[in-house]
Amino acid sequence: DGGITQSPKYLFRKEGQNVTLSCEQNLNHDAMYWYRQDPGQGLRLIYYSQIVNDFQKGDIAEGYSVSREKKESFPLTVTSAQKNPTAFYLCASSSSVAGLNEQFFGPGTRLTVL
Amino acid sequence: QQQVKQSPQSLIVQKGGISIINCAYENTAFDYFPWYQQFPGKGPALLIAIRPDVSEKKEGRFTISFNKSAKQFSLHIMDSQPGDSATYFCAASTKSSGDKLTFGTGTRLAVRP
Repeated sequence: DGGITQSPKYLFRKEGQNVTLSCEQNLNHDAMYWYRQDPGQGLRLIYYSQIVNDFQKGDIAEGYSVSREKKESFPLTVTSAQKNPTAFYLCASSSSVAGLNEQFFGPGTRLTVL
Repeated sequence: QQQVKQSPQSLIVQKGGISIINCAYENTAFDYFPWYQQFPGKGPALLIAIRPDVSEKKEGRFTISFNKSAKQFSLHIMDSQPGDSATYFCAASTKSSGDKLTFGTGTRLAVRP
């Protein structure tokens, strides 16, 4: 089955701790994205990567970090510097083929800071 | 800043009725306008998309209407069904942004039986 997997589905973190969210895709897509979703605010872009070993900040990158060492993997670390990390996190990927803009989303990880 | 403004925030429609969600944008360089559907606790999924060289695109009960001069586009759901109850997001992107999507704030649709 081709698709995007995110783990874990639910994650609880104590204040001051870093936590890493996993995102894996087997769609052979070059581009991958991380979004944060809060009620009433839609999806806001945290980081994106268009190619292995390269990534760019999105609109709300502060307090987050990423790596892209493999094409299929794009983990997101929520650091203790992120002031309000409780949210629903979505990973997505898309093809780099011209004209194919569709982003495919994973099932999401709900992070709660206790 | 690139923005996509979406309305209404929530919508209640009777079964069999027409659901209409509107989006407006400012950046005239946008050249791809998708609509995503999201069920609770799930990731969004592409529903239908349009490019600015056409004014309308229809797929089954879902239609996108696009007005380039007004910089607006809308989603129409004909014969709305309870199974259509979900949150809908419009989005836009440009070739130069590398397919980076700018999303609207979402519309929560409830279709009453």
